[in-house]
Amino acid sequence: KAGVTQTPRYLIKTRGQQVTLSCSPISGHRSVSWYQQTPGQGLQFLFEYFSETQRNKGNFPGRFSGRQFSNSRSEMNVSTLELGDSALYLCASSLKVLAHRQETQYFGPGTRLLVL
Amino acid sequence: GENVEQHPSTLSVQEGDSAVIKCTYSDSASNYFPWYKQELGKGPQLIIDIRSNVGEKKDQRIAVTLNKTAKHFSLHITETQPEDSAVYFCAASTGYSTLTFGKGTMLLVSP
Repeated sequence: KAGVTQTPRYLIKTRGQQVTLSCSPISGHRSVSWYQQTPGQGLQFLFEYFSETQRNKGNFPGRFSGRQFSNSRSEMNVSTLELGDSALYLCASSLKVLAHRQETQYFGPGTRLLVL
Repeated sequence: GENVEQHPSTLSVQEGDSAVIKCTYSDSASNYFPWYKQELGKGPQLIIDIRSNVGEKKDQRIAVTLNKTAKHFSLHITETQPEDSAVYFCAASTGYSTLTFGKGTMLLVSP
């Protein structure tokens, strides 16, 4: 079974631009979560989607948004990029169906974003 | 919200030694505790997890222990090998919430 895939793997943008990152979950997984990883803050949760609905949201500004499609693929968008948005953006999928039960999250390789 | 503290931040051991990484959590409602290994250029990979109804779990050279009363859990790696060198993350979740991660431990195993 194929793992979680993320595109693109690397991206360079300039301040003020916007960016869209894509994630394809493991086949059959309907829950997709996004995380931002930086050396200073570690892994921080952005948002979780299940069946096209945002189920959880982390403490990030409104410039960070996401969506999920009917085939469970997900995208996240960052508008008006800032230097501090440079990070590794990780997507994880899981079989989580019950809202109260956490299941194993399988991570993709990430998209490394550099904002100049 | 949940807060997860992880220690040590770096750990150097000789091949064949044991390595122990410890985490504490703040939310007593947390009931799921996974450990991830992240190698350079890759996403985190689950190595073992434990739920709050279990005190210990083993998988070959890897074990995790959970003390709900003290709100801490630990990762134990025995007979370490150079390929165990990586960054290890602990995490906690209440089930409803997503994962809250510790800051990570860089493990270096010297031959």
